[in-house]
Amino acid sequence: EPEVTQTPSHQVTQMGQEVILRCVPISNHLYFYWYRQILGQKVEFLVSFYNNEISEKSEIFDDQFSVERPDGSNFTLKIRSTKLEDSAMYFCASSEDVGLAAAYEQYFGPGTRLTVT
Amino acid sequence: AQTVTQSQPEMSVQEAETVTLSCTYDTSESDYYLFWYKQPPSRQMILVIRQEAYKQQNATENRFSVNFQKAAKSFSLKISDSQLGDAAMYFCACFTGANSKLTFGKGITLSVRP
Repeated sequence: EPEVTQTPSHQVTQMGQEVILRCVPISNHLYFYWYRQILGQKVEFLVSFYNNEISEKSEIFDDQFSVERPDGSNFTLKIRSTKLEDSAMYFCASSEDVGLAAAYEQYFGPGTRLTVT
Repeated sequence: AQTVTQSQPEMSVQEAETVTLSCTYDTSESDYYLFWYKQPPSRQMILVIRQEAYKQQNATENRFSVNFQKAAKSFSLKISDSQLGDAAMYFCACFTGANSKLTFGKGITLSVRP
């Protein structure tokens, strides 16, 4: 069964450093998402991406964050200058189509645990 | 904007028994979808069950079923014949096409007693 993959599974970085989190969505999917979950808290939406541009972003997704689809398979989240409060689990998700009926089902990757020290 | 509320932080159930996890939501959209996700200790997000708001019939997936009360904006998950592997964090979530994102509740930790 096709699945969303994410690398690395765990990233440790020092405050102020740049990190890039990588995701490979399911191949025929067109919508891509990033969510984050601070330990013990709920999953929060960061950004959605369609047709090579951001569809929507949350207030968390400030200028320190950016997303990119550098090729036909990868979808990346970059944090330019990490802060301690960026420590969280970051989930990538993808969904199949643009219509509501198909787009609603989002398939999640296993997550990348980001630890900022 | 939509909100999802899970007011119970924890629940416990005896193995083989039935448990119901509560969720309420609020949205101004007429077309929306509701989900329950399971997050085991591995922290992978696993879709348990989905409900289309336009469908009156409650969704069922094997031992998992929902009680969808649209007027009350309530969406509870019932787990029958609970198994040890059901122990996890469960998140209720709402999706609308208007903003193309899932909004999650705070989650509930379910423990299963052998």
